[in-house]
Amino acid sequence: GDSVTQMEGPVTLSEEAFLTINCTYTATGYPSLFWYVQYPGEGLQLLLKATKADDKGSNKGFEATYRKETTSFHLEKGSVQVSDSAVYFCALSDGTSGTYKYIFGTGTRLKVLA
Amino acid sequence: DGGITQSPKYLFRKEGQNVTLSCEQNLNHDAMYWYRQDPGQGLRLIYYSQIVNDFQKGDIAEGYSVSREKKESFPLTVTSAQKNPTAFYLCASSIGQISNQPQHFGDGTRLSIL
Repeated sequence: GDSVTQMEGPVTLSEEAFLTINCTYTATGYPSLFWYVQYPGEGLQLLLKATKADDKGSNKGFEATYRKETTSFHLEKGSVQVSDSAVYFCALSDGTSGTYKYIFGTGTRLKVLA
Repeated sequence: DGGITQSPKYLFRKEGQNVTLSCEQNLNHDAMYWYRQDPGQGLRLIYYSQIVNDFQKGDIAEGYSVSREKKESFPLTVTSAQKNPTAFYLCASSIGQISNQPQHFGDGTRLSIL
């Protein structure tokens, strides 16, 4: 079945450091890919998305490129801020089987130190 | 502003008691979902509904029940059969038939046992 694998956290960085959170997926069809962010005590917010190979999603300085050849969708940001501290979830949606399901990774906690 | 409203934010359950979590959306979305999130864990799907008056079990449906009598509402009942109900519950919705569209999430309900 479909699955999403994220790098284990927590990830601890100093302010202004470069961020990469790895995400790889397996899917039977041609999924859409998403990154969500969750702040403490809140629900998930969509951060960015990509719907086909080589698409780049971007938002608030975060970027991720849909790489079909490596089945990856790594999240990057050039300079993190303390306010970026949160849990980040990689997810896919795949309607190939006729039922639209969303599959989430286990989440990666990011802590940014001032 | 359109969105998803979950209530209450905090809920306490006594032994042998059923409790109902509310989820309302004004996004005109066809599909709605309930997830459970345990500390440090990812999201696990409890139930989902693609259309009014129809719903399907997710991965961990035992001890839970739902109804979908109106498009905008998808309440979740945690029954006394759910022996470990303490968790953060998230409701989500999506357009439904288009897999490249993301889910939108509410702010969650935290359920605890008294």
